[in-house]
Amino acid sequence: AQSVTQLDSQVPVFEEAPVELRCNYSSSVSVYLFWYVQYPNQGLQLLLKYLSGSTLVKGINGFEAEFNKSQTSFHLRKPSVHISDTAEYFCAVRRYGNKLVFGAGTILRVKS
Amino acid sequence: GAGVSQTPSNKVTEKGKYVELRCDPISGHTALYWYRQSLGQGPEFLIYFQGTGAADDSGLPNDRFFAVRPEGSVSTLKIQRTERGDSAVYLCASSLTASGGSTDTQYFGPGTRLTVL
Repeated sequence: AQSVTQLDSQVPVFEEAPVELRCNYSSSVSVYLFWYVQYPNQGLQLLLKYLSGSTLVKGINGFEAEFNKSQTSFHLRKPSVHISDTAEYFCAVRRYGNKLVFGAGTILRVKS
Repeated sequence: GAGVSQTPSNKVTEKGKYVELRCDPISGHTALYWYRQSLGQGPEFLIYFQGTGAADDSGLPNDRFFAVRPEGSVSTLKIQRTERGDSAVYLCASSLTASGGSTDTQYFGPGTRLTVL
């Protein structure tokens, strides 16, 4: 069965510092990978997606992620975070069929 | 343009009651999905529709849960004999297609927070 592991439940970071949110997935075949962000009391917003092609994917709000097939990882990065980036971030995978399988989420807390 | 909308935004009900949750997908999107997000967890798949038919309902937890999409647009998730364990945020998403390609990207609504007392 497809599964997604987000290795950190919470990541505290100071404003303007870089951040990496880690995501590993289990799969032996091609996958589509996604990062969604959820602000308090809101739905999920798509940050970026990997479908094929370049392994470095750029998304909205200055975020990017790198698909690493050999390590089955899809870590999310931002070189300099802002207070407004405080939110919960979800990694998800879609393989055959159309349902998304989500990780448990990582809460990013940006401190001033 | 308009995104996915869900009503109500909050629903409080008593154990044993029946509830309906509504989802309006993005106009022109043929596929519609329901997920449930319990406190402190990621969303879990419930069911998805391609057009009017349920293409995959493998995530529905039991026969108290049922969903319809009679005209291929708006969908209603129905929960009978609600239990306290049904308390969660119910998320709806839609995608342009469900063909396995790049246009299958799912866009989510704000969710309905269901509280069963």
